[in-house]
Amino acid sequence: EVQVVESGGGLVKPGGSLRLSCATSGFTFSSYFMNWVRQAPGKGLEWVSAISSRDNYRFYADSVKGRFTISRDDAKSSLYLQMNSLRAEDTAVYYCARVMAAAGTPLDYWGQGTLVTVSS
Amino acid sequence: QSVLTQPPSVSAAPGQKVTISCSGSSPNIGNNYVSWYQQLPGTAPKLLIYDNNKRPSGIPDRFSGSKSGTSATLVITGLQTGDEADYYCGTWDTSLSAGMFGGGTYLTVL
Repeated sequence: EVQVVESGGGLVKPGGSLRLSCATSGFTFSSYFMNWVRQAPGKGLEWVSAISSRDNYRFYADSVKGRFTISRDDAKSSLYLQMNSLRAEDTAVYYCARVMAAAGTPLDYWGQGTLVTVSS
Repeated sequence: QSVLTQPPSVSAAPGQKVTISCSGSSPNIGNNYVSWYQQLPGTAPKLLIYDNNKRPSGIPDRFSGSKSGTSATLVITGLQTGDEADYYCGTWDTSLSAGMFGGGTYLTVL
């Protein structure tokens, strides 16, 4: 059974840093692209970042470029998101999601999310 | 404001059919595959449709998708009260090298 579990969320002051983790199991993690998607309270989904299998490519939304860094540890089947220079508008539930093996980039398995609150 | 445009809300009676549109442009929907997601209140999104019109295992055939040019459509037939949720379209944008979602559509089953 595929499992995706995020952790590391919490309350942080503006300008602070936080590192999110996503532990996975039930599939060959190293073979899959992975994504981070966030959802501000009461708002829609916002794509944040993606990383290819083998870490050849990393992609970021303009809103987080230069502040967030996506990474992976295939030995631990884990995905990470290092978030620096956090702003109030980064407050959201952050989801980790697997990219399905398909022609497009559908996200077929999602975690339950971890809440990040940026406030003084 | 999302690059992919969806109606904020739609509604229909139980047993009826509803369509949800997703409008984009050439770099995104026009040249990439579209996915659709259902998000029930308080839960993570769930993949409903991928590669424009394919259903993952376990998704009933009441849900169908299509794409034409720079627009995509999700159709739900035989509406049930349990279908009340937010629905999002998603795709990749080749010029931005970024993923994107529509603003979401809330379905009310009256």
